[in-house]
Formats: sequence, structure tokens, C-alpha cells
Amino acid sequence: QVTLKESGPGILQPSQTLSLTCSFSGFSLSTSGMGVGWIRQPSGKGLEWLAHIWWDDNKRYNPALKSRLTISKDTSSNQVFLKIASVDTADTATYFCAHMGDGNYFPYWGQGTLVTVSA
Amino acid sequence: DIVLTQSPASLAVSLGQRATISCRASQSVSTSSYSYVHWYQQKPGQPPKLLIKYASNLESGVPARFSGSGSGTDFTLNIHPVEEEDTATYYCQHSWEIPRTFGGGTKLEIK
Repeated sequence: QVTLKESGPGILQPSQTLSLTCSFSGFSLSTSGMGVGWIRQPSGKGLEWLAHIWWDDNKRYNPALKSRLTISKDTSSNQVFLKIASVDTADTATYFCAHMGDGNYFPYWGQGTLVTVSA
Repeated sequence: DIVLTQSPASLAVSLGQRATISCRASQSVSTSSYSYVHWYQQKPGQPPKLLIKYASNLESGVPARFSGSGSGTDFTLNIHPVEEEDTATYYCQHSWEIPRTFGGGTKLEIK
């Protein structure tokens, strides 16, 4: 059974760095073909893909935010991390992590963590 | 970036009838073998749930009243017959290139 859970700071101030953690079970990022992605959703709005990382440490970023994003993984602890630098109020959203299996879609999602950027 | 345009933005369908949602891509997202479009259902306060992968392949555990079709730039999600529990927002997503993008969503209400 695949499960994912996001954790984050809840609230942070503009210009700070947002650090998010995705803790997962039911699969391993040391297994060929496995990946984890991050997607965000401002309240009442649509979905925006941010980044994903594969079992072989291959990383892909949304070019619109690439300069601010860093994705990484700790295979031994079954965690994936996302950092977003220099946040502002536009980064206020629910952040989801999602499993990517052998296809480039998202069959399993965490419940999301709400991040609010406010002075 | 590939833009996915969903229509309508919202629709109300009577219980037991058919709901049809369109997703149009700004460029082709299909090869001769696969169409790289996937459909999700999202209910308030919940994460999206994968319904259809590669345009027409029903995800395991998803009721057969959901179906997907299309190729190239035009894709459709059909729900028939609709049930009360289908009240949700539906999104398409492509995996043709980076960045992955989602459609703007279609909100379905059951009358």
C-alpha cells in the first residue's frame, strides 16, 4: 500500500526559504522506475506541477520556478525534499507530493500541507 | 509550455445522465502508440485522484462509468451514468514534456 505525507512549516515570511518533506511508504526510490513529484494548489485554484525526482536521481523542474527550486531525496529514510527559495505571497498554497510509477502520471497523492506566506 | 484548455468550466448534469468534459492541448501530445493525457478527480479538501491514464486506460479501482477518449490535441472524459458522488472538479494533465501542466479544471454538479 503506497502512502505519502507532506510536512512543512505552515507559515513563513516573504524572502524566506520554504522547506518541505514528503515521507512515503509502500515503495522505494531505490527501485528502477520509481519517482516522486511535487504539485501545488492555491486555495480555490488549479494545480501546478513544480518538480519531480526519479530513482536514479534524475531531476526535472518547472522552468517558471526553476531558479528557486531544489528537489532531493534520502532513499534510506524514504523521504523526498523540496526547497523553494525567496518565497512571496504568491507561493501560498497547498503543497502535494505524489508517487510516480512507471508512467509520468500521479497514481498516489499525499493529503497535502498548507503553506502560508505572510509578513 | 503546452496549454491544456478544459471546457466547460462548470456543468450541471442530472442524476443518471452523461457528463462530457473536454480537454484541448495546444499541440499534439500523442504518438502512434500512446496519448500522454491523464484525468483526475478532486473533491473539496482532498488530493486529486487518478481516474484515467494515457487518455483511455481506466485506473484500477475506478468505476467503469468513467471513460476517456481522444488523441492528438482533443481529449474527452465521459461519466455515464453520473452518480451523486461524482460531484467534484476534474482535471486533465499531460506528460508529453517538461513542464507537466494541468488543465484549468471542470466543476461538475449533479442535479
